[in-house]
Amino acid sequence: GQQLNQSPQSMFIQEGEDVSMNCTSSSIFNTWLWYKQDPGEGPVLLIALYKAGELTSNGRLTAQFGITRKDSFLNISASIPSDVGIYFCAGQLRNGNQFYFGTGTSLTVIP
Amino acid sequence: SAVISQKPSRDICQRGTSLTIQCQVDSQVTMMFWYRQQPGQSLTLIATANQGSEATYESGFVIDKFPISRPNLTFSTLTVSNMSPEDSSIYLCSGAGTQSSYNEQFFGPGTRLTVL
Repeated sequence: GQQLNQSPQSMFIQEGEDVSMNCTSSSIFNTWLWYKQDPGEGPVLLIALYKAGELTSNGRLTAQFGITRKDSFLNISASIPSDVGIYFCAGQLRNGNQFYFGTGTSLTVIP
Repeated sequence: SAVISQKPSRDICQRGTSLTIQCQVDSQVTMMFWYRQQPGQSLTLIATANQGSEATYESGFVIDKFPISRPNLTFSTLTVSNMSPEDSSIYLCSGAGTQSSYNEQFFGPGTRLTVL
């Protein structure tokens, strides 16, 4: 499978702060997806990106499809306690249908 | 989006037995996938479930151990065969390729498997 590296691995932030995380790979991807996973649940899709350079928002979340097509970024503004969870990126290769997942970023928001 | 359900939600099994996990999607999807996730880890793709033909397995996963069926565009099964404790994990089904969201992938809640 493909290796997608996410950083940071974990974050501890104060409520109200902004959060940034990224996902990088050595391969070129056609689609980038960002997910949030709560304990005991399946991942929930947050944002989908389809074009290099694309910037897409979903409420307080903003994600970008990197120009090189090998990376993607997720920002969360004004964090709140319910943002706690593990965030995963997933990429779909240019020449395939499969989606490969990043290593995950664990977010803790301190009230 | 698509709503995906899985059965069973959890099971505890004995070594050497097999378990079949069912995945049902509430709408037709082009693609279905099976993943494995160890607690606290990322998701590892097991295979792509192909309708009407053999599944496409990722490196490290074989059909004899993880046979997969996909008889139509809304249903798939994954069997974990001849289980050992190392197979204890969460197994997740996903679907992608609906009419309204071609490249968006949606997940079921997962099946938590414990092998004794």
